[in-house]
Amino acid sequence: GENVEQHPSTLSVQEGDSAVIKCTYSDSASNYFPWYKQELGKRPQLIIDIRSNVGEKKDQRIAVTLNKTAKHFSLHITETQPEDSAVYFCAASKGSNYQLIWGAGTKLIIKP
Amino acid sequence: DSGVTQTPKHLITATGQRVTLRCSPRSGDLSVYWYQQSLDQGLQFLIHYYNGEERAKGNILERFSAQQFPDLHSELNLSSLELGDSALYFCASSAGLQDTEAFFGQGTRLTVV
Repeated sequence: GENVEQHPSTLSVQEGDSAVIKCTYSDSASNYFPWYKQELGKRPQLIIDIRSNVGEKKDQRIAVTLNKTAKHFSLHITETQPEDSAVYFCAASKGSNYQLIWGAGTKLIIKP
Repeated sequence: DSGVTQTPKHLITATGQRVTLRCSPRSGDLSVYWYQQSLDQGLQFLIHYYNGEERAKGNILERFSAQQFPDLHSELNLSSLELGDSALYFCASSAGLQDTEAFFGQGTRLTVV
């Protein structure tokens, strides 16, 4: 079955610097790749997603890139701010009979 | 507010007991997913219901069961509880079976003592 690996498990960056979190997936039929942010004690919330017919998507300071050949996708956060501190989860889905396969999560720490 | 309602927010119970967690999906959403999140862990998929039917099962123990009712709300039943069942249980809903955004409830924090 599908497997999603996420790296790193913890990422510490200086405020204002960029952060990159990477995920790889195993099932080449996967075609939907969302990223969720979970702040401490709160529910996961979708921050950005990308579909397999697109290579890159941007939303202000957040961008996601997808390399279908290599079967990996990445989350890029630029000009990091303290409120970006959270756990970020990637996921993959094949669309029909929708079921997200989740990465293990990355704890992002923004150092002041 | 995601529109997904979970009750109760907190639950403390003793080992061996049985509890029921409830989830009301967003209005119009037909899919409901249940996840377990242990302390500082990732999201473990338990089960998925679509329009009242079970669609997929993940790492759900035999002591756990779920159902989705005609009004689309869902319940997760946990029985013969063990200390290791202590976790945050999330429900999420999405519109259908296609690749649409999943909206999470606030979760139910279960503590087994």
